[in-house]
Amino acid sequence: DSGVTQTPKHLITATGQRVTLRCSPRSGDLSVYWYQQSLDQGLQFLIQYYNGEERAKGNILERFSAQQFPDLHSELNLSSLELGDSALYFCASSNSRDPYGYTFGSGTRLTVV
Amino acid sequence: EDQVTQSPEALRLQEGESSSLNCSYTVSGLRGLFWYRQDPGKGPEFLFTLYSAGEEKEKERLKATLTKKESFLHITAPKPEDSATYLCAVRTIQGAQKLVFGQGTRLTINP
Repeated sequence: DSGVTQTPKHLITATGQRVTLRCSPRSGDLSVYWYQQSLDQGLQFLIQYYNGEERAKGNILERFSAQQFPDLHSELNLSSLELGDSALYFCASSNSRDPYGYTFGSGTRLTVV
Repeated sequence: EDQVTQSPEALRLQEGESSSLNCSYTVSGLRGLFWYRQDPGKGPEFLFTLYSAGEEKEKERLKATLTKKESFLHITAPKPEDSATYLCAVRTIQGAQKLVFGQGTRLTINP
């Protein structure tokens, strides 16, 4: 157990729908990162939050949004889903004194049918 | 734009057959190079961080090295349980805490 908890583990939904993925970071970590991993794209950075504020944005679609709550858990919202959004979505967390990069969760596998 | 390229894409070895994985990078200013191991359907697991050229880190059968343009992950006398995808990532000065990942090398060790 890495200490980063993601729910749900699996999600199957239809095109056009909206889903919410949840992440609880490691205790004491203020930063949360979201990554998308598809077969042909590898791990792609989506967005970073630090202590409730958006810190950096990557290749995140306008249909996707995220937030980090006062208790530091984060949610990634995906709307108007398309078949191409099917992927593994990973959350990771870190703190400013952490020399080890991130600690990743086990991911949410999203399948859009 | 920061880029990370890993080679080969896939590698099959016999148990005990040593080899190396390559990670070449083009970045604006390196603040760390990271190696992760990823098993199918799981999140990446941290292995090493390297910060400056000439640095080396070791863990069991794995050794990571860093030059100004690339990093190598050497695997000595591998075992079937070393089979996984190995990911290289860089953190840059301009990228803040963001990591940029390579596509990974899928390593298979046959018994």
